[in-house]
Amino acid sequence: AQKITQTQPGMFVQEKEAVTLDCTYDTSDQSYGLFWYKQPSSGEMIFLIYQGSYDEQNATEGRYSLNFQKARKSANLVISASQLGDSAMYFCANPNAGGTSYGKLTFGQGTILTVHP
Amino acid sequence: DAMVIQNPRYQVTQFGKPVTLSCSQTLNHNVMYWYQQKSSQAPKLLFHYYDKDFNNEADTPDNFQSRRPNTSFCFLDIRSPGLGDAAMYLCATSRTDRGAGGYTFGSGTRLTVV
Repeated sequence: AQKITQTQPGMFVQEKEAVTLDCTYDTSDQSYGLFWYKQPSSGEMIFLIYQGSYDEQNATEGRYSLNFQKARKSANLVISASQLGDSAMYFCANPNAGGTSYGKLTFGQGTILTVHP
Repeated sequence: DAMVIQNPRYQVTQFGKPVTLSCSQTLNHNVMYWYQQKSSQAPKLLFHYYDKDFNNEADTPDNFQSRRPNTSFCFLDIRSPGLGDAAMYLCATSRTDRGAGGYTFGSGTRLTVV
């Protein structure tokens, strides 16, 4: 069965420092993708970054980068130069194909990130 | 901008009184999803539509129904809301692949049951 695991319920980081949020996954799909979303207290789910399993390089989007280790089945999110506005819940997610072409997103438990000034 | 819009942003309903949440999209995506998210938990998929084909998750209570009258709109009906149904309800859409940018979420409707 598809499973996404985020083992850090909460993380704290000092403003301007970097922080790594952990995500491990278990999938039987040969080709798959991994998403990271940010959810502030207002509730909307904001797409941050995507990694495809066959992408040759780790994904980067501005201050966000993915430390993708396929053999370890991990896709950790690195946020550089943290800002106060980064305080939010962060979810790792993977589409569960289940025989479909589009997949249904399965989410990890989430990590609450708090950035201290 | 193409987007997914959920109305209302906040909804208060009475215990047992039917309530409908709405979702519309301008992305022309084939697939629309409804997620329930309780406080400090991960979103949980309730059901989804692939075009007009309805797909229910096995553990979605019968109290939850959905309608998709056309490509753009999808509704979540809660027939008899209980206190345990208070949650954030997220609508999402996707294309028929699983690539980057393939999923777009609305801002959610926060449901309170009194």
